Amino acid sequence: GNSVTQMEGPVTLSEEAFLTINCTYTATGYPSLFWYVQYPGEGLQLLLKATKADDKGSNKGFEATYRKETTSFHLEKGSVQVSDSAVYFCALKGGGNKLTFGTGTQLKVEL
Amino acid sequence: DTAVSQTPKYLVTQMGNDKSIKCEQNLGHDTMYWYKQDSKKFLKIMFSYNNKELIINETVPNRFSPKSPDKAHLNLHINSLELGDSAVYFCASSPLGQGNTEAFFGQGTRLTVV
Repeated sequence: GNSVTQMEGPVTLSEEAFLTINCTYTATGYPSLFWYVQYPGEGLQLLLKATKADDKGSNKGFEATYRKETTSFHLEKGSVQVSDSAVYFCALKGGGNKLTFGTGTQLKVEL
Repeated sequence: DTAVSQTPKYLVTQMGNDKSIKCEQNLGHDTMYWYKQDSKKFLKIMFSYNNKELIINETVPNRFSPKSPDKAHLNLHINSLELGDSAVYFCASSPLGQGNTEAFFGQGTRLTVV
């Protein structure tokens, strides 16, 4: 079946540091890939997505590239802010309209 | 306007009780889901409905029974609540049959069983 593996947290960074959260996946066919963000006490919001190989999703300074050869979709941001502190989830959607999530990575950004 | 709304937001109840969580979406989507998020933030799909028809039923105790009166609503009823049912439950929706579209999530219902 489909699965998503992402790096464990928590990840603690200073403001303006570079962020990478690794995500790899296992799936049959050609899934779509997503990053969701969950701020404290809130539901999940879509951060960005990519629907085919080599697509780059980007939003709010975050970006991720769909790499089929390495089955990866790593999340990056050049300069994080305190307001980026949240839990980040990598997810994939294959056949059957089912969204499969990774375990989530908590990010803490400090001044 | 809230796209996916769940009620209640918080629910505290005793073991053995029966409770329901309601979910409504005004996005016109055909597919709705229930997810459970545990204390470690892990998200696991429980159920998925397409146009009121059950499509996905993961390994969930049969104390959990989803009900979809129409495609805009998917309620979750839980019988004989147990301590281990304590979690945050998220409802979500997405368009039918389009693998490249994201799911939209509600704000969650934090269930605490005491």
